[in-house]
Amino acid sequence: GENVEQHPSTLSVQEGDSAVIKCTYSDSASNYFPWYKQELGKRPQLIIDIRSNVGEKKDQRIAVTLNKTAKHFSLHITETQPEDSAVYFCAASRWGGSEKLVFGKGTKLTVNP
Amino acid sequence: DSGVTQTPKHLITATGQRVTLRCSPRSGDLSVYWYQQSLDQGLQFLIQYYNGEERAKGNILERFSAQQFPDLHSELNLSSLELGDSALYFCASSVARSGGLGVTDTQYFGPGTRLTVL
Repeated sequence: GENVEQHPSTLSVQEGDSAVIKCTYSDSASNYFPWYKQELGKRPQLIIDIRSNVGEKKDQRIAVTLNKTAKHFSLHITETQPEDSAVYFCAASRWGGSEKLVFGKGTKLTVNP
Repeated sequence: DSGVTQTPKHLITATGQRVTLRCSPRSGDLSVYWYQQSLDQGLQFLIQYYNGEERAKGNILERFSAQQFPDLHSELNLSSLELGDSALYFCASSVARSGGLGVTDTQYFGPGTRLTVL
């Protein structure tokens, strides 16, 4: 079945450093890859997403890259701040997100002041 | 605030009982998705409804059922509850467009219902 692998499971960085989280998906039909940020006890919130016809997308300090051939996509956060501390989930979906999201296991990011 | 509402926020019940979780999608969204989040299984898709009809099923137990009503709100029914059913239950909604090239369909999550089975 569909599977999304996410690494690392935990990541600790110093404020101002960059953070990179990587995901690999198995379903070749996936064409939509969102990233969600979840603070403790709260709902997952979309922070950035990318379609399979785009290789890279950037929004201020956040960027996502996609390698369709390798079925690999990554989240890059630059100039990290303590408020970036949270659990980040990658996901994959068919039909531009109109079908179920298959989530990775999550990465707990800690940004130390 | 995503515009998706869920009630109740917390639910504490005993094994063997039945509960109903409610979700109201964002205005204009036709599709509702239910996800279960537990410590060991992460975020798992349960079921999707689109405009009142079941569209897709995930790893949903037979003890669980759901429906979407004409006003598009959805309910998830959990019966014969077991300790292992304790989890956060999220619903999400989206417009559910065709998903054609260049079109994305963002799923917005509600605040969740925390279910504790004792």
